[in-house]
Amino acid sequence: NAGVTQTPKFRILKIGQSMTLQCTQDMNHNYMYWYRQDPGMGLKLIYYSVGAGITDKGEVPNGYNVSRSTTEDFPLRLELAAPSQTSVYFCASLITQFKEAFFGQGTRLTVV
Amino acid sequence: AQKVTQAQTEISVVEKEDVTLDCVYETRDTTYYLFWYKQPPSGELVFLIRRNSFDEQNEISGRYSWNFQKSTSSFNFTITASQVVDSAVYFCALSEEAGSARQLTFGSGTQLTVLP
Repeated sequence: NAGVTQTPKFRILKIGQSMTLQCTQDMNHNYMYWYRQDPGMGLKLIYYSVGAGITDKGEVPNGYNVSRSTTEDFPLRLELAAPSQTSVYFCASLITQFKEAFFGQGTRLTVV
Repeated sequence: AQKVTQAQTEISVVEKEDVTLDCVYETRDTTYYLFWYKQPPSGELVFLIRRNSFDEQNEISGRYSWNFQKSTSSFNFTITASQVVDSAVYFCALSEEAGSARQLTFGSGTQLTVLP
């Protein structure tokens, strides 16, 4: 069972560079979320989606973009990387918001 | 707006001690779900328990137990006879039913260290 797959696991970006964090789930879940976890901190919601074609901002969306063209994929785009975006990024999926979330392994991003 | 507060940033206990992790939540909805997740040093997030707002029965699973009290908006987690392997960050989370509020909101987490 693949579950939620995030790629890459690690990445170092230079200031101003762009990248896309990939997230794929094979459980046919409607709900998908992107969180960031700063060192020693909790999870902050960046964006979420309740189905293909529907996305919405979370608590900390600035500097990020998402799309949800299919049920399976929910990529997170960083357009102009900044040091403040150094964090661990987690993707999660749920069948509904009342079921437990399945998390990917995380992407550790460093912006230098 | 929903909010989850975990006031205990760090807790340190000696092995075999009992420890309780506090979670206080805020919501305007009458239907909501509460969760606990564990994040061990390896970094992954592990689901522990889910509780809906209509079920205030306490739950016990082995050394883990959960106390849900709507009157105080709390969903506390107790580990009995703690073990070194319980060392992790524990997160409480809240999900509401209402319309656009379909977010899963996490508390800031409690770092539990169990010393041998």
